[in-house]
Amino acid sequence: TQLLEQSPQFLSIQEGENLTVYCNSSSVFSSLQWYRQEPGEGPVLLVTVVTGGEVKKLKRLTFQFGDARKDSSLHITAAQPGDTGLYLCVGGTSYGKLTFGQGTILTVHP
Amino acid sequence: AAGVIQSPRHLIKEKRETATLKCYPIPRHDTVYWYQQGPGQDPQFLISFYEKMQSDKGSIPDRFSAQQFSDYHSELNMSSLELGDSALYFCASSDLGRSNQPQHFGDGTRLSIL
Repeated sequence: TQLLEQSPQFLSIQEGENLTVYCNSSSVFSSLQWYRQEPGEGPVLLVTVVTGGEVKKLKRLTFQFGDARKDSSLHITAAQPGDTGLYLCVGGTSYGKLTFGQGTILTVHP
Repeated sequence: AAGVIQSPRHLIKEKRETATLKCYPIPRHDTVYWYQQGPGQDPQFLISFYEKMQSDKGSIPDRFSAQQFSDYHSELNMSSLELGDSALYFCASSDLGRSNQPQHFGDGTRLSIL
């Protein structure tokens, strides 16, 4: 069974601060996705990383896939209240099976 | 771009009733996945279909069944509903024929059992 440990589970910060969310596993994934989910809605895909060491940027969000494809991080610079939500890291296999992290509930206060 | 469409968005049922949830995947996606998400939990995988055949099975109760039709839409049939079935049910689709393609989620069906 593949496990994906995501931390922290809860993060409450002030607008303008930086933050990093981590996902770690002992298993190798063929891909790693990050989703953002708002209450009552489906997870929305932010990014997919597939190559060890890959770094992708999406405006103020920076995603990194570990060299061994076992871990990933999401860094948000100058967080905004609109960044508030549940962030999910999800490990993928070549045959479509997903392993979800526990999620990080981010609250950004104005 | 077209997204995954789920219907209904909300459904209220009583114990022991049946419910049918529908999912219309992104066009040309060949795989559909069903998930159940309880309050404060990450989505739990129920079942998936690839090219209209069941491809994987997760923690789906025996009271539930699902199928994928010739037009690739899928339905999740739930019978003898219990209070514990109250949850958000998500459908996701992907193009499994292309490597490392992510799953795209619908907005879910909120099922409430009274």
